[in-house]
Amino acid sequence: QLQLQESGPGLVKPSETLSLICTVSGGSISSNTHFWGWIRQPPGKGLEWIGSVYYDGSSHYNPSLKSRVTTSLDTSKNQFSLKLSSVTAADTALYYCARDSFLRYDATSGSYYGDGFDIWGQGTMVTVSS
Amino acid sequence: SYELTQPPSVSVSPGQTARITCSGDALPKRYAFWYQQKSGQAPVLVIYEDNKRPSGIPERFSGSSSGTMATLTISGAQVEDEADYYCFSADSSSEYRVFGGGTKLTVL
Repeated sequence: QLQLQESGPGLVKPSETLSLICTVSGGSISSNTHFWGWIRQPPGKGLEWIGSVYYDGSSHYNPSLKSRVTTSLDTSKNQFSLKLSSVTAADTALYYCARDSFLRYDATSGSYYGDGFDIWGQGTMVTVSS
Repeated sequence: SYELTQPPSVSVSPGQTARITCSGDALPKRYAFWYQQKSGQAPVLVIYEDNKRPSGIPERFSGSSSGTMATLTISGAQVEDEADYYCFSADSSSEYRVFGGGTKLTVL
């Protein structure tokens, strides 16, 4: 049974870079049938998609965060990661990693996209504060 | 940007049918996904690709989509169905993936 587990610092200072890792067990992240994504939820608020990475390293990001986000894979450790730079208090949130199994091929761009997440981690809280 | 619009709250009595809507301009071209999030828990997928139900999700959960609106229907809602429900979809260019603002379902 596939499981995802987020890990990383619970406290990050303003202007620094938030770094999180998602460790996947019970399945391989090297499969071309999934994207691996990050979603966050500020306290008391709704969900926000951050970005998703494919097995080949290609990524899609939320345009509102694109300039600050990087996602990557470490297939040797079966992990994928999120880096969010120049954080502010507005980045304080519960961060989830998740598997996206609903791939769609866009002939116009020649790219694959992930359209929905089926398995989620339990989330890790990150607070941005000095 | 792209937005999916949901009602903030829906309330039904146990055994009644709850309907939660999600409107978005790209829904005629893109699938809708629905997530249930109970207090203090991670979201759970309850409907994918408009109307498909993952294994383990009760049959009382169903989905439909017509034009620019997707609907999650809970037939015979139970007290344990109280939760926040979010729709999720992409825009027509595939640049944006967004969640709706969420709907708090109260069953009492």
